[in-house]
Amino acid sequence: DTGVSQDPRHKITKRGQNVTFRCDPISEHNRLYWYRQTLGQGPEFLTYFQNEAQLEKSRLLSDRFSAERPKGSFSTLEIQRTEQGDSAMYLCASSTTGIGEQYFGPGTRLTVT
Amino acid sequence: AQTVTQSQPEMSVQEAETVTLSCTYDTSESDYYLFWYKQPPSRQMILVIRQEAYKQQNATENRFSVNFQKAAKSFSLKISDSQLGDAAMYFCALDQAGTALIFGKGTTLSVSS
Repeated sequence: DTGVSQDPRHKITKRGQNVTFRCDPISEHNRLYWYRQTLGQGPEFLTYFQNEAQLEKSRLLSDRFSAERPKGSFSTLEIQRTEQGDSAMYLCASSTTGIGEQYFGPGTRLTVT
Repeated sequence: AQTVTQSQPEMSVQEAETVTLSCTYDTSESDYYLFWYKQPPSRQMILVIRQEAYKQQNATENRFSVNFQKAAKSFSLKISDSQLGDAAMYFCALDQAGTALIFGKGTTLSVSS
């Protein structure tokens, strides 16, 4: 069990550019979640997958955001036409089906200049 | 709507002493889970303790224990014999449908020697 991994750990981009983040969950976990965390705040839910199906999306996930989990393993989160307000830590978590604890990755810190 | 409230933005404790972090929540469901997560500075979020709502017995994990008051919708975390390594931001989180975790805004705990 290598834990949840995320890549890159840090990303600096200019406003208007597109960025893509990757998350690799714990191998036997079929649920994968994305959260956004701004400085000094708790994480806010963005979206989650069960296997390859995206089952829920938060209203925070604007049209500029898209997430995929094509083979039910790793997931990507893409932000198009980044804005300064997108600057945050993007956290990925995974779990087994059903109510239970989620295991978090180290996050990707995005800075939009 | 489900909410989680942590009313203590900052707390401090001396080594070897005991500290209690407060959390209240609101949900209309009868079956749910509650969690405390720890997020050290610049490090990833880790699970400290979990509590199933249907269990009357308070959860304990070594030096960490909870006081779960279901009727009052209160879920406090007690840290006994505090150590320097306990310094972190602590988040209370609610999971009622096996989907998104709803987090409070966090309590920053500092530990002095």
